[in-house]
Amino acid sequence: EIVLTQSPGTLSLSPGETVTLSCRASEIVSTRYLAWYQQKPGQAPRLLIYGASSRATGIPDRFSGSGSGTNFTLTISGLEPEDFAVYYCQQFGGSPPLTFGGGTKVDIK
Amino acid sequence: QVQLQQSGPGLLKPSQTLSLTCAVSGDSLSSISAAWNWFRQSPSRGLEWLGRTSYRSKWHQDYADSVKSRININVDISKNLFFLQLNSVTAEDTAVYYCARDIDSSGWPHGEYYFYGLDVWGQGTTVAVSS
Repeated sequence: EIVLTQSPGTLSLSPGETVTLSCRASEIVSTRYLAWYQQKPGQAPRLLIYGASSRATGIPDRFSGSGSGTNFTLTISGLEPEDFAVYYCQQFGGSPPLTFGGGTKVDIK
Repeated sequence: QVQLQQSGPGLLKPSQTLSLTCAVSGDSLSSISAAWNWFRQSPSRGLEWLGRTSYRSKWHQDYADSVKSRININVDISKNLFFLQLNSVTAEDTAVYYCARDIDSSGWPHGEYYFYGLDVWGQGTTVAVSS
């Protein structure tokens, strides 16, 4: 099973700041298998990025993903008030299991 | 616009069977581009994938090892519904349960596998197991 480790666990930031979230895989993951999600309290996760760097439909361009191999990042350029949430990376290469990282919470300083 | 609507009981006693339904609108369960997943989320276990079903010339299911002996995911094509059944529940099965669609390329005739993400989610169902 591929384990995804996200760091840090929590970040306290101010609106307007730029943040980079980290996701490290226990073995090499193709970029074609890596996605990122945002989750707000009481809501289901929302797909932000697939294929490590492709934005999902309707996602603002302040969200960007990058990385390869075992290291992936999600960058939010200029935090908006609605961006304070928990962010998860996730991988699936067609063979189970589908796995998530433990999440990074971005909260307001 | 694809939507998933969940239904099912929210309170169970230990040893009972958890049964949830996910109603799909705007897509077909037998799409060769889609797969239909169940997840749960709890403070202790985080976001946990339970299993998925997909149609690729025949129906196929994959399940997480943690629940493989107790889980069944099946579909009702005529009503565009898919179901989660989890047997012999305990307090550890207390969680918010989600259904979700993913899009992948496994049903396409050519090219490498590509996972396009879990793009549509149900609203979530809080399930508590307590005596």
